[in-house]
Amino acid sequence: DTGVSQDPRHKITKRGQNVTFRCDPISEHNRLYWYRQTLGQGPEFLTYFQNEAQLEKSRLLSDRFSAERPKGSFSTLEIQRTEQGDSAMYLCASSYSSTSGYEQYFGPGTRLTVT
Amino acid sequence: QKEVEQNSGPLSVPEGAIASLNCTYSDRGSQSFFWYRQYSGKSPELIMFIYSNGDKEDGRFTAQLNKASQYVSLLIRDSQPSDSATYLCAVRATYKYIFGTGTRLKVLA
Repeated sequence: DTGVSQDPRHKITKRGQNVTFRCDPISEHNRLYWYRQTLGQGPEFLTYFQNEAQLEKSRLLSDRFSAERPKGSFSTLEIQRTEQGDSAMYLCASSYSSTSGYEQYFGPGTRLTVT
Repeated sequence: QKEVEQNSGPLSVPEGAIASLNCTYSDRGSQSFFWYRQYSGKSPELIMFIYSNGDKEDGRFTAQLNKASQYVSLLIRDSQPSDSATYLCAVRATYKYIFGTGTRLKVLA
């Protein structure tokens, strides 16, 4: 297993455009998370899936953000009508609910720059 | 009060010394505790996790947990310049993970 993968690794877009990011978790992991991280801050929770069900979405997220995890495998995060404040590193992480500590592993991230 | 608090640093230690990183948390229902290392521009890398009171050792790293004091720490023995990074503390309650803002560690050669 090669770990969590994310695509693309970098994305530059103009304000007002839509962007979509993909995450492929570790294959046996049933929990998948999206986070956003800005400079000097820890990862900030965006949303959580257990299998294909989206069980929580941060209240900080506007309606411009949506995430899916069809069939409980890969996940996509879409940001509509991007704003300069959306510039950040978007991180995906996965974990397996039956391991002892529920260890969570991160992908390499997608760095979004909105111009 | 922040849910997970860390001193932002930088914490500077000489090469070969022990680095001690600390984290406090507010939710007494927290169940597991994690330390991640993050190099500049990279994603967090899991170093250790702990869920029982006491110490847990893995190579040069020791995690310490005191649930009564709501305190978790990470000791790095024989610090190397390659250990220079930001160390993130994360706390899990049920399915949710809350991260601190990280402590920047500088190991001086």
